[in-house]
Amino acid sequence: GGIITQTPKFLIGQEGQKLTLKCQQNFNHDTMYWYRQDSGKGLRLIYYSITENDLQKGDLSEGYDASREKKSSFSLTVTSAQKNEMAVFLCASSLDRGPSGNTLYFGEGSRLIVV
Amino acid sequence: GDSVTQTEGQVALSEEDFLTIHCNYSASGYPTLFWYVQYPGEGPQLLFRASRDKEKGSSRGFEATYDKGTTSFHLRKASVQESDSAVYYCALKSNYQLIWGSGTKLIIKP
Repeated sequence: GGIITQTPKFLIGQEGQKLTLKCQQNFNHDTMYWYRQDSGKGLRLIYYSITENDLQKGDLSEGYDASREKKSSFSLTVTSAQKNEMAVFLCASSLDRGPSGNTLYFGEGSRLIVV
Repeated sequence: GDSVTQTEGQVALSEEDFLTIHCNYSASGYPTLFWYVQYPGEGPQLLFRASRDKEKGSSRGFEATYDKGTTSFHLRKASVQESDSAVYYCALKSNYQLIWGSGTKLIIKP
């Protein structure tokens, strides 16, 4: 079996600061995703990538950048952290190109705290 | 656009009670429908999925039947246990994305 590792588990930064979350997967999956999870709401897609160096915007991409420099890793940058975007960020991967019936495997999440 | 609606934000039951969590969707055609479960401190994990009208998905005692007529995929379990405490998400595949419901937190009362 494989695993998705998200670092750090807690990311604390100041308002206006640029902050980066990292995700590694050893499934050898093609597609990777970043979701934001707010309390009481569903998961919202920020970015996804179907292969190395590919980036596709989700519904919530404004205020974020992403980078897929190699197949196994996918990073997400909050370009200017704001207190109203404190949430849990979830990384996921899937075998197929897009979640076309294939399972998404998730990491444990990274919690963003803005002080 | 496509959407998924879960009407219950939270459900509180006692052990051995019957569980129903409602999921209705809005989409054209026959989208693949999913149920995911998220335990505290973990990411969501797939319970099961279904892709055709009247198809039943099941896992760990949970089940749901794809109903195109009522655009529903309600999650049921005959007898819940304390270990079922979690947040349950209904989702559908739309193009290359998953559209998620808002989640239902299942609380098992002692």
